[in-house]
Order: sequence, then C-alpha cells, then structure tokens
Amino acid sequence: NAGVTQTPKFQVLKTGQSMTLQCAQDMNHEYMSWYRQDPGMGLRLIHYSVGAGITDQGEVPNGYNVSRSTTEDFPLRLLSAAPSQTSVYFCASSYRKTSNEQFFGPGTRLTVL
Amino acid sequence: AQKITQTQPGMFVQEKEAVTLDCTYDTSDPSYGLFWYKQPSSGEMIFLIYQGSYDQQNATEGRYSLNFQKARKSANLVISASQLGDSAMYFCAMREAGYSSASKIIFGSGTRLSIRP
Repeated sequence: NAGVTQTPKFQVLKTGQSMTLQCAQDMNHEYMSWYRQDPGMGLRLIHYSVGAGITDQGEVPNGYNVSRSTTEDFPLRLLSAAPSQTSVYFCASSYRKTSNEQFFGPGTRLTVL
Repeated sequence: AQKITQTQPGMFVQEKEAVTLDCTYDTSDPSYGLFWYKQPSSGEMIFLIYQGSYDQQNATEGRYSLNFQKARKSANLVISASQLGDSAMYFCAMREAGYSSASKIIFGSGTRLSIRP
C-alpha cells in the first residue's frame, strides 16, 4: 500500500493562475478531506467527501473546488490563486467518516506570488 | 459550534520526564471523538491516540495516554518518560458525530514540545 499520496510536493504559482493538487489513496477509504496549515496554526478543513460523488464544504472553502469521481482520488482545484492561499496543504483519508484514525499525505507546500 | 483550544504554544521538558499537553474543547454534541496528532519537523502528521466521548476509560497507546475529563471538557495528552524524538508539534483535534452526512474534524492551534537532553 502506498497510503495517501499527494502531488506535487512543492509548487509556486503567480496570482491568478489555476492549478490542481492531486490526492490519491489505495486503501479503499470512504472518507477523504483537504486541510490547509498556515504558520503557527493548526489544520483547517477546506473540503471533505464521504464517498464518490459526494463532497461538502469545511471551514475555509472559498477559492477551492473539489470533486470525487472515484473512491481513490480527491483533487483540490485552486481556481484563481491568491497570495492568501500560500500554505501547506494536507490530504487525509479514513475508512469511514467515523473512523478513529485519519491517514495523512505528506503535504504540498504552495507559494503564491 | 465546535472548538478546540490549546493554550500552550510551546513547552520545554527534560528528557525522561513526563509531560502533559493541555487541550480543552467545546461542543454541544453528546457524541464526539478526540484525537491527538504529532507533527515532527519533517512535516508529516502522525496519529497518536483517540478517545470517544462515551468511552469509560482513558485511552492509552504505549507511552501516550489521554487524560479525559468530560465534565471539564478537557482532553490532555500525557507522554510518559519523554524522549528526544518526542520533540515535535502536537495537535489536539475533535470530531462531532452530529446529524450531518459527514463529521468534520477540527484542530487546535498546536503545542510545540521541545525535549532537552
């Protein structure tokens, strides 16, 4: 098992550019989520999904879109990047929404100039 | 609304001593879960321990235990016999069961633990 994988590991964007952060898991997990971590802060939930075709907003969804066409993949799209979106992004998954443990990917460090 | 508070931005502890990291939470949901994660300088998030709101006993996982005081809405992490490798950022998190289609997990702001040799 590769666990939760994220690509890219690092990315630099210019303001206004769009891009997609990729997240995949090979554990057949139902629940997947995206977080952002800003310096000195905990993780804040952006979007989450309880299964293919079902997504919902977290605490800080503005400026981001997600889709879940398969159980394995949960991409995060930045529509028009802004400097305020400079952060480290983590994808996480768990077997079910009520599972006791979430498995985290290694993170993507995004800088928006 | 659910909320997690970690009041200790940073702590220094001597190696081999026990350490308690504080976490308080606020929720109106009678069913919830509490988590602790470790984030070393390499950046990955490592799950440490889980406590359910209806669990009668405090959770333990090796050197980690969760001191769960429900009436005080407190879920402190206790690390016994600290080691240099315990130096990291520690996050407390909570999930409400709720009536929604999925349960969100929210995180506190974290405590940076530094172990002195």
